[in-house]
Amino acid sequence: SQTIHQWPATLVQPVGSPLSLECTVEGTSNPNLYWYRQAAGRGLQLLFYSVGIGQISSEVPQNLSASRPQDRQFILSSKKLLLSDSGFYLCAWSVTGQGTGANVLTFGAGSRLTVL
Amino acid sequence: QKEVEQDPGPLSVPEGAIVSLNCTYSNSAFQYFMWYRQYSRKGPELLMYTYSSGNKEDGRFTAQVDKSSKYISLFIRDSQPSDSATYLCAMSGKGSARQLTFGSGTQLTVLP
Repeated sequence: SQTIHQWPATLVQPVGSPLSLECTVEGTSNPNLYWYRQAAGRGLQLLFYSVGIGQISSEVPQNLSASRPQDRQFILSSKKLLLSDSGFYLCAWSVTGQGTGANVLTFGAGSRLTVL
Repeated sequence: QKEVEQDPGPLSVPEGAIVSLNCTYSNSAFQYFMWYRQYSRKGPELLMYTYSSGNKEDGRFTAQVDKSSKYISLFIRDSQPSDSATYLCAMSGKGSARQLTFGSGTQLTVLP
């Protein structure tokens, strides 16, 4: 069966420090991978998605970046965190090649980031 | 206007009540409609999904889509304290428009 791992679960970082959140998926090949941010009362905001190694699409301009160095690994990074980067970050995957079918996402447990 | 509108609640009901959660949307290209449940400090998990209009039932949960009104609902029968969570609706179109658009979530508490 497929599983998704995301870490760290909780992170407290000072403003201006770097960030690295990691996500790995097991039990599937060539998944679509996603990073979302969830702010209180504001739903899920898609930050990045990837359909393959080295292929990253950015949905919103920000000081965050994403990388996919391996098929089932997705990393969210920042060189210098801002206060506004605080939030709950969720990694998700879906099956590629579904054609016109529903894009059903499976989420990780999330990483709660507090920037002080 | 947001593409997907969802009443944030909070909604508090007694155990055993029937719960109705709703979302409205403006994009007529949406074809797939989903409900996710998110427990506090956890990632969302898929509860149900439907294609186009109609009803779908799974145990105590019923998802309903009315595309003519651009309105979707999730009904929970015989609600339990374990149903206390935030419920997020999500929807997408087909093909290149398959990225999900999420509602902001409704926080539900079922009181024992």
